[in-house]
Amino acid sequence: QVQLQESGPGLVKPSETLSLTCTVSGGPINSYYWSWIRQPPGKGLEWIGYIYYSGSTNYNPSLKSRVTISLDTSKSQFSLKLRSVTAADTALYYCARRLETLRFGEGYHYYMDVWGKGTTVTVSS
Amino acid sequence: SSELTQDPTVSVALGQTVRITCQGDSLRNFYANWYQQKPGQAPVVVIYGKNNRPSGIPDRFSGSTSGNTASLTITGAQAEDVADYYCSSRDSSGNLVVFGGGTKLTFL
Repeated sequence: QVQLQESGPGLVKPSETLSLTCTVSGGPINSYYWSWIRQPPGKGLEWIGYIYYSGSTNYNPSLKSRVTISLDTSKSQFSLKLRSVTAADTALYYCARRLETLRFGEGYHYYMDVWGKGTTVTVSS
Repeated sequence: SSELTQDPTVSVALGQTVRITCQGDSLRNFYANWYQQKPGQAPVVVIYGKNNRPSGIPDRFSGSTSGNTASLTITGAQAEDVADYYCSSRDSSGNLVVFGGGTKLTFL
């Protein structure tokens, strides 16, 4: 089955750029949406953004000015870059597949059906 | 508004029925999805859309919507259901994703 694995530095200095990669295995990267979600310690989930296999993106308005999500289909990977980080960006970062499904009488639904295990990123000098 | 509001904690007795709610304007136009997150684990979707359970999710989990409120009902809660539950939906534009603040389910 499809599996996702996040990778990247666990420690980033304030004002620098956080860079993470999610590797997709066991299934195609085409024809899906791919998301990043984060969870600060002891807090809830925050959606960061997603990229469609075509390359179109949508971002959380609160992070939009600092975020870029990109896709490398040749490597079955998608990536997150978050610029000018502060301590508030310390969190467990998840990548996930956002599935689009059509249910008769209900229309299209979108939900995260496969998640990576998450990777912890700490922002500290 | 693109916010989803959940009660921080809900308690239930073993074997009883519990309802976890999620309020938000966008729920008038889009169904909620519900994610279960156990300690130290990634979230897992338990309900999506009107009331759909992915393969492997027990049928004691069900979903419903009325007006601006979505509900996740666990009928006959089991010990393994102790977890944080998050609702999620689309914002009013339909393009962005929103999560509720989460509800911690505990046993009495």
